Amino acid sequence: DTAVSQTPKYLVTQMGNDKSIKCEQNLGHDTMYWYKQDSKKFLKIMFSYNNKELIINETVPNRFSPKSPDKAHLNLHINSLELGDSAVYFCASSQGSLQETQYFGPGTRLLVL
Amino acid sequence: EDKVVQSPLSLVVHEGDTVTLNCSYEVTNFRSLLWYKQEKKAPTFLFMLTSSGIEKKSGRLSSILDKKELFSILNITATQTGDSAVYLCSVTRSGNTPLVFGKGTRLSVIA
Repeated sequence: DTAVSQTPKYLVTQMGNDKSIKCEQNLGHDTMYWYKQDSKKFLKIMFSYNNKELIINETVPNRFSPKSPDKAHLNLHINSLELGDSAVYFCASSQGSLQETQYFGPGTRLLVL
Repeated sequence: EDKVVQSPLSLVVHEGDTVTLNCSYEVTNFRSLLWYKQEKKAPTFLFMLTSSGIEKKSGRLSSILDKKELFSILNITATQTGDSAVYLCSVTRSGNTPLVFGKGTRLSVIA
């Protein structure tokens, strides 16, 4: 059984398009996250939701909009994609607050052409 | 500014060698330090350390935290090619503040 799943695994798209990445966790966790990992493998948090409520919103362009329909799902919508958005996006979840051990999804590799 | 620094950035060893990876940090309101292993895909959790001087072990891997000197080490004994990965260190802080990640140490174990 997959604990944290993301779709799609790969996403190739043109600049200017709008795309979404979906994330679901079946661990019963309260908190979910989106991370971006760039080509240099540096992992950086983007957003965190706790029980559907946004608790962390790092310095991310407002073209990125997370949506949490319920605490098991946290989707990431990106408008007007740019070349610099190319990266691997990881979803993660944890039982409680940000201090808890986080479990990562397999990642979505986004390539903007 | 909060920061987590890992060293070395990369390391190449032979199977059977023992390696020590370092993670030093400067953060306000430190709460815990976590180690992750990242192979080709997502990071997987290894250890969470909150108390100084208490070693955590899992098979050939072990880790310890020194809250006075603000660092942690991750030891891997009798390395195997399957240990090849990027090892990430992250630090959590009190309150609703995000984890701070280091840039990772890329370990390559050759046969």
